Amino acid sequence: GQNIDQPTEMTATEGAIVQINCTYQTSGFNGLFWYQQHAGEAPTFLSYNVLDGLEEKGRFSSFLSRSKGYSYLLLKELQMKDSASYLCAPMDSNYQLIWGAGTKLIIKP
Amino acid sequence: GAVVSQHPSWVICKSGTSVKIECRSLDFQATTMFWYRQFPKQSLMLMATSNEGSKATYEQGVEKDKFLINHASLTLSTLTVTSAHPEDSSFYICSAITTGADNQPQHFGDGTRLSIL
Repeated sequence: GQNIDQPTEMTATEGAIVQINCTYQTSGFNGLFWYQQHAGEAPTFLSYNVLDGLEEKGRFSSFLSRSKGYSYLLLKELQMKDSASYLCAPMDSNYQLIWGAGTKLIIKP
Repeated sequence: GAVVSQHPSWVICKSGTSVKIECRSLDFQATTMFWYRQFPKQSLMLMATSNEGSKATYEQGVEKDKFLINHASLTLSTLTVTSAHPEDSSFYICSAITTGADNQPQHFGDGTRLSIL
């Protein structure tokens, strides 16, 4: 079956760095997306990885290891507005996104 | 770029009413649009995939006669919840991808919060 495993909730301090891990199992693989979803809002696209390695985009970086079925999202210089849920969504062989419940990130001052 | 507009943002209506939700791609052509439903603290659930000019593909367990999807143009898809009941109350979100490669990111509308009394 298809499965995503992320921590349910994480807490970090403003200005710090946090890494949100994701392991996945899919039928085929066409890349992995990270989305941010604030409470009561729709998701917004953060990053896409299809090859192994690190993709950096400002304060956010995403890493992928296809052989391990593993990805992480790294958030630096945390701000209060980063409090949100972070969704790891791999794409299967049919180009369909597989959604988990995401990781709720709480930023404390 | 890649802005998706969804309307209305909120709907409150009586049981038995039909509700139409519009999803528009404002600055790109979207051959494929997706409709999701999300209950509080749960993951996004794909309801159907809509391709312009053809019938939508519904996920298992989603009643196509209850959730009518029309994708008549490259910039507009609509979801009509027919004879809505309180159990249909949820957050409905559409997304769209641009033409081209299938591994494009989905860009989401702002969602519609539907409350059936």
